[in-house]
Amino acid sequence: NAGVMQNPRHLVRRRGQEARLRCSPMKGHSHVYWYRQLPEEGLKFMVYLQKENIIDESGMPKERFSAEFPKEGPSILRIQQVVRGDSAAYFCASSKNTEAFFGQGTRLTVV
Amino acid sequence: EDQVTQSPEALRLQEGESSSLNCSYTVSGLRGLFWYRQDPGKGPEFLFTLYSAGEEKEKERLKATLTKKESFLHITAPKPEDSATYLCAVQGGSEKLVFGKGTKLTVNP
Repeated sequence: NAGVMQNPRHLVRRRGQEARLRCSPMKGHSHVYWYRQLPEEGLKFMVYLQKENIIDESGMPKERFSAEFPKEGPSILRIQQVVRGDSAAYFCASSKNTEAFFGQGTRLTVV
Repeated sequence: EDQVTQSPEALRLQEGESSSLNCSYTVSGLRGLFWYRQDPGKGPEFLFTLYSAGEEKEKERLKATLTKKESFLHITAPKPEDSATYLCAVQGGSEKLVFGKGTKLTVNP
């Protein structure tokens, strides 16, 4: 039973480019969460999605960031016009009921 | 606003030297308290969920306990492979998890 799959594992983007991060939840899980981890800081909630619905985006920056979880395919976290401050590890988690299981993350570096 | 504070920030132990990590929290309506282990460059690995004060859970050398204000992760006779950052998180009125900054544990052989 495969765990939460994230790709790519590492992503380098120049300032102003777009970054697309993908997350395939565990089989049978219908809840997807995105978290961001900055160096020396804890994991910060960004957004919670179910299939075709954004349930809670209270942690998502208002500008440049968007997320989707389509009926078919992985969840996508999209960052437009990236800036140096977007450099971080982005983790996706999925759950069926209570426990959330995390992927290995995508490490985004903006140069 | 839900908050989680973990202490100490870092802890060095000798192999076999038992100790405890602390997680203090404030949350409106605790639905669950979670412990995760995170190795460098990896995602958090789920360890335990605790739901109510007085609850305890064990897994190998780890034991998690919960009161109304804090949780402890007790590590008995640790081994070098227990070295990692241990994260505590709470779930309150919404689905999101609020994490502490973690305790970095190093176990020397």
